[in-house]
Amino acid sequence: SYVLTQPPSVSVAPGKTARITCGGNNIGTKSVHWYQLKPGQAPVLVINYNSDRPSGIPERFSGSNSANTAILTISWVEAGDEADYYCQVWDNILDHRVFGGGTKLTVL
Amino acid sequence: QVQLQESGPRLVKPSQTLSLTCNVSGNSISSGSFFWSWVRLPAGRGLEWIGRVYHVGSAHYNPSLKRRVVISVDTSKNQFSLNLTSVTAADTGVYYCARDLSHSSSFYFDHWGQGALVTVSS
Repeated sequence: SYVLTQPPSVSVAPGKTARITCGGNNIGTKSVHWYQLKPGQAPVLVINYNSDRPSGIPERFSGSNSANTAILTISWVEAGDEADYYCQVWDNILDHRVFGGGTKLTVL
Repeated sequence: QVQLQESGPRLVKPSQTLSLTCNVSGNSISSGSFFWSWVRLPAGRGLEWIGRVYHVGSAHYNPSLKRRVVISVDTSKNQFSLNLTSVTAADTGVYYCARDLSHSSSFYFDHWGQGALVTVSS
């Protein structure tokens, strides 16, 4: 089945920009969705269809997708952004929802 | 406002069956506009899609769990359920229910429950 690869961790200072990658074979041909997970809370969809922000998600969150890498970018990082972030695609061959391994964002 | 809430036993013995129910409010499952999925976060690992069900009862599962999983729907109660048989410690984790939708050639989850931490232990 389709495999998505994320770095286990990313660290960034407050006010700086965090970039979280999601690698996959020709992922640029797929739509990538990103979720934020915090302990004890419901996961939150922060980006869908590569770069669309759902209602209520700050403009600081943006996404891109090309070739073999999708990127979630968080600008002007705040302490409240500290969380685990997961990318997800739809494997149209198996009709399977696939997640990356997750990236822990630490705000220094 | 769409809300999902998981319920069910939080402690399951090895080899037994894990059973959870997701109560949906603010959206009628029988409308047929969405799929309804279960996703889990096994202890120490990443998110894993378990499977999804449609309002008519048709279900589709992650091949890695297919032999042990049944997802069903009860439109009269606006609920859908998960049964995972023959559990082991590796099935310990947080189980989420989620609304599963598509607008254009992909599927994603726009609303999630808070999650249910289920522990497999004797």
